[in-house]
Amino acid sequence: EPEVTQTPSHQVTQMGQEVILRCVPISNHLYFYWYRQILGQKVEFLVSFYNNEISEKSEIFDDQFSVERPDGSNFTLKIRSTKLEDSAMYFCASSGQTNTEAFFGQGTRLTVV
Amino acid sequence: GENVEQHPSTLSVQEGDSAVIKCTYSDSASNYFPWYKQELGKGPQLIIDIRSNVGEKKDQRIAVTLNKTAKHFSLHITETQPEDSAVYFCAASRGTGGFKTIFGAGTRLFVKA
Repeated sequence: EPEVTQTPSHQVTQMGQEVILRCVPISNHLYFYWYRQILGQKVEFLVSFYNNEISEKSEIFDDQFSVERPDGSNFTLKIRSTKLEDSAMYFCASSGQTNTEAFFGQGTRLTVV
Repeated sequence: GENVEQHPSTLSVQEGDSAVIKCTYSDSASNYFPWYKQELGKGPQLIIDIRSNVGEKKDQRIAVTLNKTAKHFSLHITETQPEDSAVYFCAASRGTGGFKTIFGAGTRLFVKA
C-alpha cells in the first residue's frame, strides 16, 4: 500500500538553528500539507501546497516557515530559526484528486533545546 | 475563526459496548468531515469520512452521522474491541483539494477487555 514517508523520525536541534523536515508524498498525489501536533494537543494545520505554490496557510505559518518541492518526489518544511515552542510532532500529508482523502505520514518529532 | 469542538475528551467502555464521539463545527462552508484514529507514535489514519450531501455513512462497525443544520457530526463504533483503543479525531474541511482541515481536540478511547 502506498504511504507518505517522513525523515527523520526524530530531530533534536538547538534554539535558533535552522531545520528541514523531509517528506516523500504518495507518488501520484497533487496536494501536499504540513500539520503539527504539540504533545497532548490537537493536530493543527500549517500549510497546503499545490502546483508549486502555497494554496493556504495558517497564522502559525509565519515568516520563519517555508515549504518547497525541490524535485518530483520530496516536499520539505523549513523552519529558519527554531524556537522552544516549535517543539512538536510534524506531520506531512498528501492527497490525490479533489475528492480523495489525505494520507498522513508517521511524523517527525522535533525537539528544540 | 473556524473551530471544531469534540466531546468527550476521554471515553472508557467495556469490550462489546458501543462508543459515541460527538463534534460540532463552526464554519458553515465545511463540506467534508473525516475521522482519524491515531495510535501511539503514529500519524492520524483515516477511518471514515462523510460529505455534506450525505446524512449517514456506515462501514462495518463504524458509522458517522451528520446534521448540517445543527453543524453536528458523530462517530459511532459498535461491538468495540481492545484494538479500538486509540485517540480519535474528528475534523472539518471545505474539501480535500488543498483546503485546510480543522481538527477537534481528540477523544482518548479505552476499551476494557
